[in-house]
Amino acid sequence: QKEVEQDPGPLSVPEGAIVSLNCTYSNSAFQYFMWYRQYSRKGPELLMYTYSSGNKEDGRFTAQVDKSSKYISLFIRDSQPSDSATYLCAMTSGGTYKYIFGTGTRLKVLA
Amino acid sequence: DAGVIQSPRHEVTEMGQEVTLRCKPISGHDYLFWYRQTMMRGLELLIYFNNNVPIDDSGMPEDRFSAKMPNASFSTLKIQPSEPRDSAVYFCASSPGTVYSEAFFGQGTRLTVV
Repeated sequence: QKEVEQDPGPLSVPEGAIVSLNCTYSNSAFQYFMWYRQYSRKGPELLMYTYSSGNKEDGRFTAQVDKSSKYISLFIRDSQPSDSATYLCAMTSGGTYKYIFGTGTRLKVLA
Repeated sequence: DAGVIQSPRHEVTEMGQEVTLRCKPISGHDYLFWYRQTMMRGLELLIYFNNNVPIDDSGMPEDRFSAKMPNASFSTLKIQPSEPRDSAVYFCASSPGTVYSEAFFGQGTRLTVV
């Protein structure tokens, strides 16, 4: 079993839809969680960072962490075609730079 | 700053040949990371450096892989000899310091070993 599981998609939604992207993990020591966005043929770029449990909002994006269920989510409101990309979750236990990445979910927002 | 710069962007080589990937991190960043990305395994950390010193190379798949950072502005990842299963996109990233800092990724080098 992988430490971090992520549905590869692709996930296709119409413009304006609410998108939910998820990761599950097995290591209860993980405390720091990140979401990266990766456009085709580009390097990943950081979208959101959260520590421990709870929600964090930034514009149209909300990151949610449920440590009891070992489950993290990224919500995108009013999705746009420009949101079409692969979304990677990443996490670490802290004190180490060894972030474990999910394989990514490919999202397509249709105009 | 131009960001993390990697070269070459694409590399096609024959099995058994030596391959060298290059990276210039963002000036002032103390940490440098080498990742490999494949469809099956996603993004995997191979090795990272702090102030030019290798800290964790447990992700390096085997002895055919080696990485160096001779100074704060340059790093190489070498594969010798290369094999078809090494085909992947290799990313270099740098970070300013804390564990919670964003890692800034380069554009990647797409390696194909035939």
